[in-house]
Amino acid sequence: QKEVEQNSGPLSVPEGAIASLNCTYSDRVSQSFFWYRQYSGKSPELIMSIYSNGDKEDGRFTAQLNKASQYVSLLIRDSQPSDSATYLCAPYYNQGGKLIFGQGTELSVKP
Amino acid sequence: DGGITQSPKYLFRKEGQNVTLSCEQNLNHDAMYWYRQDPGQGLRLIYYSQIVNDFQKGDIAEGYSVSREKKESFPLTVTSAQKNPTAFYLCASTPGDSAADTQYFGPGTRLTVL
Repeated sequence: QKEVEQNSGPLSVPEGAIASLNCTYSDRVSQSFFWYRQYSGKSPELIMSIYSNGDKEDGRFTAQLNKASQYVSLLIRDSQPSDSATYLCAPYYNQGGKLIFGQGTELSVKP
Repeated sequence: DGGITQSPKYLFRKEGQNVTLSCEQNLNHDAMYWYRQDPGQGLRLIYYSQIVNDFQKGDIAEGYSVSREKKESFPLTVTSAQKNPTAFYLCASTPGDSAADTQYFGPGTRLTVL
């Protein structure tokens, strides 16, 4: 089993729709979870972090965490073409003290 | 203007050559990291350093070497022992010594083996 798995893309949504990005992880003791956005050819940038079960909202972005199911998701409301990028899920693994990045989900928002 | 700089942006290596990728930060961050990204894949940790004159291997350290002689600098050498070095290399730093802090990335170096 891969340590971090993200739903395979590319994911295409129309402008204004909700984009849902999913991630499962294998480490049961992970406490911190991060979503990074990476535009094509550029470096990643942090958009959300979440530490507790439930939802965390920041503008149009909502991160959802379910530790029992080892599942974290990112919802993007009112998707814009500028949201078109690859989204990387990265749980923090206490053993080794490092982030483990998923392979990313490419999102395309069509005008 | 604070940030992380990486140079060069593009680098071409011939078979059997060692090359060094530069990473400099003026954020006064404690920890620095090197990642490798292959097409369609996530980032994989090569090396990291939490303090000057100390560094740790990541998941794919073979064929790479680093040094941390100054807090602001963390160069990565890709040696001839690395058989498939063509990739996008990203340097990052965190304010504290934990990878769970927000990671700030440099613009990356794209290395191609000729």
